[in-house]
Amino acid sequence: GDSVTQMEGPVTLSEEAFLTINCTYTATGYPSLFWYVQYPGEGLQLLLKATKADDKGSNKGFEATYRKETTSFHLEKGSVQVSDSAVYFCALSAIIYNQGGKLIFGQGTELSVKP
Amino acid sequence: DAEITQSPRHKITETGRQVTLACHQTWNHNNMFWYRQDLGHGLRLIHYSYGVHDTNKGEVSDGYSVSRSNTEDLPLTLESAASSQTSVYFCASRGTGAGNTGELFFGEGSRLTVL
Repeated sequence: GDSVTQMEGPVTLSEEAFLTINCTYTATGYPSLFWYVQYPGEGLQLLLKATKADDKGSNKGFEATYRKETTSFHLEKGSVQVSDSAVYFCALSAIIYNQGGKLIFGQGTELSVKP
Repeated sequence: DAEITQSPRHKITETGRQVTLACHQTWNHNNMFWYRQDLGHGLRLIHYSYGVHDTNKGEVSDGYSVSRSNTEDLPLTLESAASSQTSVYFCASRGTGAGNTGELFFGEGSRLTVL
């Protein structure tokens, strides 16, 4: 079945450091890919998305490129801030019969940014 | 503004009791989902619905039930609460049709403790 694997956390960085959180997936067909972010005590919010191969999603300085050849969707940010401290989830959704499909999540990666 | 709300936000109950968590969305979305979030497991799908009177089991459905009598609501019921069901529960919804890319909108979560 479809699945998502993320690098394990927690990841601890200093402010202004470069961030990469790895995400790989297994899916039949052509899923849409997502990164969600969860700040402490809150629900999940969509950070960025890509719906087809080679698409790049971007938001708030974060980027991720849909790589079909390596089945990856790694999250990157050039200079992290303390306010980026959160848990990041990679997810995929295979659209089925125009009903939408189940969103399948990775385990989540906790990011802690120190001043 | 349209939104998705969960209630209660926090609940403590005893083993064997029936518990219902409410989820209400005002986007008129067809798709609704219940996930549980546990450390080390990320988000796991409990039940989902693609429309009124439609319900489906997710990967961890044992001990849970849902019903969909209208578009706006998908209540989650624990028939006989167990300590293993102590978790944070998230409801989510999504629109369908042209342009649907699978993005989910999440509630703020309900923290359930079973003693």
